[in-house]
This record gives sequence, structure tokens and C-alpha cells, in this order.
Amino acid sequence: GAVVSQHPSWVICKSGTSVKIECRSLDFQATTMFWYRQFPKQSLMLMATSNEGSKATYEQGVEKDKFLINHASLTLSTLTVTSAHPEDSSFYICSARGRDSSYEQYFGPGTRLTVT
Amino acid sequence: GENVEQHPSTLSVQEGDSAVIKCTYSDSASNYFPWYKQELGKGPQLIIDIRSNVGEKKDQRIAVTLNKTAKHFSLHITETQPEDSAVYFCAASVYGQNFVFGPGTRLSVLP
Repeated sequence: GAVVSQHPSWVICKSGTSVKIECRSLDFQATTMFWYRQFPKQSLMLMATSNEGSKATYEQGVEKDKFLINHASLTLSTLTVTSAHPEDSSFYICSARGRDSSYEQYFGPGTRLTVT
Repeated sequence: GENVEQHPSTLSVQEGDSAVIKCTYSDSASNYFPWYKQELGKGPQLIIDIRSNVGEKKDQRIAVTLNKTAKHFSLHITETQPEDSAVYFCAASVYGQNFVFGPGTRLSVLP
């Protein structure tokens, strides 16, 4: 149980284009989803928290107009990186928390974004 | 805000030996402390967690201890195996919100 998937697993895009990453909870309903960013050999940094049907809450320093988050259903959240630049290249990981798992977060496998 | 420190940054042990990783946190309001294992190119996997109303929790070869007074918690892995080699992250949070992760420990188990 508690499986979270991400798609795509890796993506290469050109500078100035937008890319969408999907995060799905496969066997539970995720009332809250989180998006993290991880640079090579570094820890995870929380970007934003989203509750189903509500606007995402962004962490300080994260541009909400650049990183668009949509949590339209209890099993799907999307992160769109708009007008991507090489400095946006990173490993993006989502996690999900179900209504029955009060504290635990279950992570997806991550998406490697490379902006050329 | 919360700050989580983790030591050591790298740890090498012989197969069969024990490994201990320690984290300290700053926010006394934190009450949930999970540990994650991350293999290269993959997402973190929850391996064990502890809440502030418990001092110790064990699951087979893995155990976590919590000292609320000193604000530190530790991961203990006994009888290590090569497949335990990975990066381990601790985290602290208040009621499961806003996880703050430690910088990670790269564990190598030498056969």
C-alpha cells in the first residue's frame, strides 16, 4: 500500500519552454501532496504544499508563478515549471499523505528535469 | 524555523556491524520524526518513524530512539547488509506538516 507514482521519470526540455510533472497516489486518496526539489548530493527542500481543491502554499523563496501546482483530485497533483531555465534543472519529488495516515508522507520516485 | 542537523555525513561499516546515525533538531514543537532511505536516482522510502510520545521504536534490524529533552533522535541499524547501502535522511515536523530534512548520511556497507 501507499504507492506514489510520478510521470515522467525524466525529461529534457529547451530553455523557455514549460514542462508538466504528474504525481499520483495509486492506492490511497491523498488529501495533501507536497513537492520537493533536490540538487545532486543534497537534501530535499520543500517547495510547496497542496491540499485537494485548494491553492498551494509555497515556501519562502519559491516563485509561485514559475512553479504552478494543481491538486485537482484526491489522487493527482501536477507541477508545471514555466519558462524553464538551466538553473531549474533538478530532481523533483512529490509526496502524498492520505486522510488515514495522519503524519506519514509517502514519496514518489522523482522526476529528473534537465533544461538545455 | 526548524533546523535539523545530521551526523555523520558519511559512514562506512563492515557487513554485519551496526550503524548509528544521529540527528538533532531545534524546534521543541516538533513531534514527528521519520527516517527515509534513498537509493541513487530514486525517491525516499520511509523506513521507520517515531512520535514524541514514544522513546524508542523497533522494526526488525532497524530502531529509532528519541530524546526530547536533548532534542535528538538516532537511527540504529544492526547486522548491516550490502543492500543497506544508501543515503539516509532524518526529518522533523510538527504534526506531519512541513518536513524539515537533515542533510543526509551516505552509508556504505562493505562486504
